[in-house]
Amino acid sequence: EAQVTQNPRYLITVTGKKLTVTCSQNMNHEYMSWYRQDPGLGLRQIYYSMNVEVTDKGDVPEGYKVSRKEKRNFPLILESPSPNQTSLYFCASSLFGRDGYTFGSGTRLTVV
Amino acid sequence: GQQVMQIPQYQHVQEGEDFTTYCNSSTTLSNIQWYKQRPGGHPVFLIQLVKSGEVKKQKRLTFQFGEAKKNSSLHITATQTTDVGTYFCAGPDNAGNNRKLIWGLGTSLAVNP
Repeated sequence: EAQVTQNPRYLITVTGKKLTVTCSQNMNHEYMSWYRQDPGLGLRQIYYSMNVEVTDKGDVPEGYKVSRKEKRNFPLILESPSPNQTSLYFCASSLFGRDGYTFGSGTRLTVV
Repeated sequence: GQQVMQIPQYQHVQEGEDFTTYCNSSTTLSNIQWYKQRPGGHPVFLIQLVKSGEVKKQKRLTFQFGEAKKNSSLHITATQTTDVGTYFCAGPDNAGNNRKLIWGLGTSLAVNP
């Protein structure tokens, strides 16, 4: 089944403890993106990637890192999480970006 | 900066009533995409419109792209409880590529059975 898989679905962590949210797609898509969703603020893009080793900042990249070493994987790294990074995170992928994005099920992150 | 605005923010309807959400861009768009997010779920791609004045239908859903390619609408005929969710529109940034989408804040639809 074609899908975007994010892990974990839920995560509670403490301030400053590095964490990684994994994202993997099995559709051989070129484009991948990370979003955060907060009440009243909609979907905000954190980072995106057009292909292996090609990434760029979205609207809210501060405090996040990404890498794209393989086409299928696009992990989101929080080196030193802070409470303002408590949010719902979505990974999404698209073949060329022209045909819509497939979203993962989301990761609800709480930083205390 | 480039913005995509959606109205209304919320809509509450009785089952069987029609529903329309509008999407307005501050700039001309090369295309517009629509997504639906069920409560507790993730956004699901519904459709993409590319041509000026384009109209597409998916069962009870009708999507329209304005002649100037700056606005779009989604109309649902005879809503059902399965239509509940938030509907988002999104368009590519001014560079015209789809790797960076500008999103509206969405319209949340509630349907009373």
